[in-house]
Amino acid sequence: DSGVTQTPKHLITATGQRVTLRCSPRSGDLSVYWYQQSLDQGLQFLIQYYNGEERAKGNILERFSAQQFPDLHSELNLSSLELGDSALYFCASSPTVATNEKLFFGSGTQLSVL
Amino acid sequence: EDQVTQSPEALRLQEGESSSLNCSYTVSGLRGLFWYRQDPGKGPEFLFTLYSAGEEKEKERLKATLTKKESFLHITAPKPEDSATYLCAVTGTYKYIFGTGTRLKVLA
Repeated sequence: DSGVTQTPKHLITATGQRVTLRCSPRSGDLSVYWYQQSLDQGLQFLIQYYNGEERAKGNILERFSAQQFPDLHSELNLSSLELGDSALYFCASSPTVATNEKLFFGSGTQLSVL
Repeated sequence: EDQVTQSPEALRLQEGESSSLNCSYTVSGLRGLFWYRQDPGKGPEFLFTLYSAGEEKEKERLKATLTKKESFLHITAPKPEDSATYLCAVTGTYKYIFGTGTRLKVLA
């Protein structure tokens, strides 16, 4: 158990809909990362938050947004969903903003857009 | 542009047949190179961090090495339970960049 909690584990929805994925980092970790994993593209970095502030952005679509709350949990909002958004979404956390620390991953949310 | 390339994409080994996985990288100001193991439907699980060329780390049947351009994950006498996808990642200033992984299947 990594200590990172993601909910829900599975999500099935229709095109055009909006969903929210939730992540609780390990106790004491201030950084939260979101990744998208599809079969043909591997783990794609979406966005990083550190102590409530956006720290770095990757290949995140404008239809996607995220935030980190004062209690350090994070939410990833996906709107106007398309079939191609179907993927595994992982949250990871680390203690600080330093990039020489290992990441602890949650078990992921499997999103299926029908 | 920062980049990570892993090879081979897939590898099938007989139990006990040793081999190596490769991770080639290009990154500005390497802060660390990481190896993770990922089982189907689960999140990546940390294996090793390497920080500088010449560094080596070992854990059971796995040994990771690092040069200035690539890293190898050596698997000695693998067992079926070593079957998984092995991911390599590098970090520069801001973000972790992952390779697409090597899918390892060890046959009994």
